[in-house]
Amino acid sequence: AQSVTQLGSHVSVSEGALVLLRCNYSSSVPPYLFWYVQYPNQGLQLLLKYTTGATLVKGINGFEAEFKKSETSFHLTKPSAHMSDAAGYFCAVLPDAGNMLTFGGGTRLMVKP
Amino acid sequence: NAGVTQTPKFRILKIGQSMTLQCTQDMNHNYMYWYRQDPGMGLKLIYYSVGAGITDKGEVPNGYNVSRSTTEDFPLRLELAAPSQTSVYFCASNSDGFQPQHFGDGTRLSIL
Repeated sequence: AQSVTQLGSHVSVSEGALVLLRCNYSSSVPPYLFWYVQYPNQGLQLLLKYTTGATLVKGINGFEAEFKKSETSFHLTKPSAHMSDAAGYFCAVLPDAGNMLTFGGGTRLMVKP
Repeated sequence: NAGVTQTPKFRILKIGQSMTLQCTQDMNHNYMYWYRQDPGMGLKLIYYSVGAGITDKGEVPNGYNVSRSTTEDFPLRLELAAPSQTSVYFCASNSDGFQPQHFGDGTRLSIL
């Protein structure tokens, strides 16, 4: 069974600082990878996805993630945090075959002024 | 575009009561999903459907039932509500299993 680990359930950064949210997965084959963002009292919205091809993926709101097969990682970064980035972030993995998306436990990002 | 619409947004149930959480999508998506999200946790899949008339269990199906009579609607039924089912429930859909999922805003359910 797939598993997704997000290191750090809460991350706090200062406005303008680098954002780094970690995601590691277990898979014997390169899966499809997603990052979703959840604002308070809302559903999840897609930030970015990796399917095949270029390992550095750019998403919305200045976020990007890099797929590293050797490290089974898909960390999310943003060079400069903005107050509006405060939200919950979820990494998710879809196996090459199968319909069940597996989510990590989520990381709540807090941005200090 | 409405996308994925869930009703109600909030509900309080007594133990043993039953209710149906409604989910409808207007994107003509074949695939639909129900998840639950417990406080501070990620989402766990309850049931999913790959088309009208077809449903299948996810990771945590016990205590729930679903049906899919139309492409648009995918209701989730709780027959005998238990405190362990207190959670936020999300419905999602996509055009096929490999595409990003579109989520509704959730139903916050408390069982007392």
